Amino acid sequence: AQSVTQLGSHVSVSEGALVLLRCNYSSSVPPYLFWYVQYPNQGLQLLLKYTTGATLVKGINGFEAEFKKSETSFHLTKPSAHMSDAAEYFCAVSGGFSGGYNKLIFGAGTRLAVHP
Amino acid sequence: EPEVTQTPSHQVTQMGQEVILRCVPISNHLYFYWYRQILGQKVEFLVSFYNNEISEKSEIFDDQFSVERPDGSNFTLKIRSTKLEDSAMYFCASTGTSGSTWAGELFFGEGSRLTVL
Repeated sequence: AQSVTQLGSHVSVSEGALVLLRCNYSSSVPPYLFWYVQYPNQGLQLLLKYTTGATLVKGINGFEAEFKKSETSFHLTKPSAHMSDAAEYFCAVSGGFSGGYNKLIFGAGTRLAVHP
Repeated sequence: EPEVTQTPSHQVTQMGQEVILRCVPISNHLYFYWYRQILGQKVEFLVSFYNNEISEKSEIFDDQFSVERPDGSNFTLKIRSTKLEDSAMYFCASTGTSGSTWAGELFFGEGSRLTVL
């Protein structure tokens, strides 16, 4: 079974500051990890994912995340926040995908606010 | 770019009423999903659908819920007799085949917010 915990339902940063959104997972099998973003009035959009290989993964809009097995974490970072990064961010885990099927288990989300 | 669309964006209903939430998945996709998020809680898996039948469902998906693909394009979630605790955002998603370019991404709609009074 898998589960995800996102620490902090709301995070507020200044424009230009580091963004750090925390995600810890639990999984009985090697996890596949995902970050999705939801901008206002839009659907969930994939930011980045970790499946196998390099543990530091880069996504869209300058975001990256590092898979740390020893810490069961997959925190999302961006060196310099932009006003357009204000959105809700969801971390998700799955036990793998095949044949077109992937069941994601999500966290509760973190709402990121960016102020001038 | 193809996208998943959902209607309505917001529906208010009285307890005990039937509600149908509609989704149009991406046209060449084969797997369809419903998730929901009660305010402040996790996004929860409800059900997945493939080849005109449910492939997996969660314990949340009880007899009050049903899904169908009535016309080859729409994918609907029906709640037979709504309860207050059904108030949530409902997300539809779809995925394609196991082609070499697919890397596990689910494509989500904007969500339908259901408020039960």
